[in-house]
Amino acid sequence: TQLLEQSPQFLSIQEGENLTVYCNSSSVFSSLQWYRQEPGEGPVLLVTVVTGGEVKKLKRLTFQFGDARKDSSLHITAAQPGDTGLYLCAGASYQKVTFGIGTKLQVIP
Amino acid sequence: KAGVTQTPRYLIKTRGQQVTLSCSPISGHRSVSWYQQTPGQGLQFLFEYFSETQRNKGNFPGRFSGRQFSNSRSEMNVSTLELGDSALYLCASSSTPLTGPPYEQYFGPGTRLTVT
Repeated sequence: TQLLEQSPQFLSIQEGENLTVYCNSSSVFSSLQWYRQEPGEGPVLLVTVVTGGEVKKLKRLTFQFGDARKDSSLHITAAQPGDTGLYLCAGASYQKVTFGIGTKLQVIP
Repeated sequence: KAGVTQTPRYLIKTRGQQVTLSCSPISGHRSVSWYQQTPGQGLQFLFEYFSETQRNKGNFPGRFSGRQFSNSRSEMNVSTLELGDSALYLCASSSTPLTGPPYEQYFGPGTRLTVT
């Protein structure tokens, strides 16, 4: 069974702070995706990383895929209240997609 | 382009009943995947359909089934409902098979199922 462990599961920070969320597995994935989900809605795709060591930036969000394609991180610079939500990572391999349980982020104004 | 739509948005059923959920993918998308989301287990993959064929299936009992129509719309059926089936059921569409490039899924808002 492929597992994706996300940490931390809960995070409450002040506006303007930086944070990093981690997604780890013992399995190799052909691709890894990050989503953000808000209450009452479905997850929204933020980014897909495919190549080991790949770094992608989306405004204040930086995503990194580990060299061995087993782990990933999401770094948010100067968090804003609009960043509040559930952040999910998902790994694709062997015709299946496995999701982590998510990191619930709250940014306090 | 219209997004993924799911109907109904909310549903309350009694143990032992059956339920059918519907998903309309983004126009032109041929892959539809279904997920169950609960607070304790997170998002769990149910199955994926591509061009009316089930490509792969997650670890759920046979009470959970699905199908896809020629217009790519998909339905999911759960028979003999149990209390533990209470969850948010999400469908996602993609232009290509789920685990191939460009590895993008677009989710609908979900159907909140409550079993009493």
